[in-house]
Amino acid sequence: ETGVTQSPTHLIKTRGQQVTLRCSSQSGHNTVSWYQQALGQGPQFIFQYYREEENGRGNFPPRFSGLQFPNYSSELNVNALELDDSALYLCASSMDYITDTQYFGPGTRLTVL
Amino acid sequence: AQSVAQPEDQVNVAEGNPLTVKCTYSVSGNPYLFWYVQYPNRGLQFLLKYITGDNLVKGSYGFEAEFNKSQTSFHLKKPSALVSDSALYFCAVGDTGRRALTFGSGTRLQVQP
Repeated sequence: ETGVTQSPTHLIKTRGQQVTLRCSSQSGHNTVSWYQQALGQGPQFIFQYYREEENGRGNFPPRFSGLQFPNYSSELNVNALELDDSALYLCASSMDYITDTQYFGPGTRLTVL
Repeated sequence: AQSVAQPEDQVNVAEGNPLTVKCTYSVSGNPYLFWYVQYPNRGLQFLLKYITGDNLVKGSYGFEAEFNKSQTSFHLKKPSALVSDSALYFCAVGDTGRRALTFGSGTRLQVQP
């Protein structure tokens, strides 16, 4: 176990709704990254937060947004859900340099109907 | 832009035989390379990484990987496969600009008893 936790485990939403996913980072880590893993694909980088600021972003539209809190936990918010948003959402915690290992949580499975 | 290729969708090996899972990469600067394993309905577990130094990197569960700069490869190896090694394996490269990991498409390893 990595010490990274995510909630909820599973979630079902309908198209157009909004969703919030949560992640608690491993003790001692100050950086959280979020990834989307569609079925049969490798994880795709959404964004990263360091000390409550967005530190990097992948090719995802602005309806994907996030927050990081003073205790380094994080939220991923997705507005106006689309069917293609159905995926496993993974968060990873690390220190703030790219050579540090990112440790992943178990993920949240989002299904959009 | 950096990228990772995992040319084999699936690798089949008999228990007790050596295994190799292939990975090639493309980066503009220094390569920071990682291997992760994913079991069904689980997040990603870190196996090993190459940052600098010895080309042969040893990791968890008896896995190792060989970094080859001239061939831009980072193949994952294990001398003797176990049935419990059956899982989905991902190679990733660190993106110093976005501070993200870029993943390959994954290789499913099937170890037959």
